[in-house]
Amino acid sequence: AQSVTQPDIHITVSEGASLELRCNYSYGATPYLFWYVQSPGQGLQLLLKYFSGDTLVQGIKGFEAEFKRSQSSFNLRKPSVHWSDAAEYFCAVADRDDKIIFGKGTRLHILP
Amino acid sequence: KAGVTQTPRYLIKTRGQQVTLSCSPISGHRSVSWYQQTPGQGLQFLFEYFSETQRNKGNFPGRFSGRQFSNSRSEMNVSTLELGDSALYLCASSGGTSRHYEQYFGPGTRLTVT
Repeated sequence: AQSVTQPDIHITVSEGASLELRCNYSYGATPYLFWYVQSPGQGLQLLLKYFSGDTLVQGIKGFEAEFKRSQSSFNLRKPSVHWSDAAEYFCAVADRDDKIIFGKGTRLHILP
Repeated sequence: KAGVTQTPRYLIKTRGQQVTLSCSPISGHRSVSWYQQTPGQGLQFLFEYFSETQRNKGNFPGRFSGRQFSNSRSEMNVSTLELGDSALYLCASSGGTSRHYEQYFGPGTRLTVT
């Protein structure tokens, strides 16, 4: 069955530092991959998506992600985080029935 | 363009009761999906409606049901509420006929079952 693993439940970084959130997926075919962000009390906002083509995708708010088929990974990166980036981040994959399967999420904390 | 709206935002119900949640998608979007979010299980897909037809369904008991109206607004209903149904219920809409269009989420309805 398709699945998404986000190995880090919590991550703390200092403001201005770089960020990488890990995501591994299990899917037999070419996956459709997504990263979403959820701020407290809010719904989810799509940061970026990968369907095909260039394996490095750019998203909103300065985020990017790289699809690595050999590692079944789709890690999210940002070169310099801001205090407003503190939120929960979800990686997701669309399965063969077109359902979106989400990872458990990674909560990002920012130190001033 | 107005975003996805969900009503009510907060709800408190008693075990055994039923509840109906409403979702209004972005204008022009014909697909509406529902998700349940809990601390233990995370985000789980409930079902998706497209043009008033259920197109996909997750692994939830029959107590969870939904429908979509001709204006694409959707409702989900949970009958015989259990304590474990306490969760944030999120609705997402997407446009076009492609199933892989990006989904736009509403703020959710926080359901508490006592």
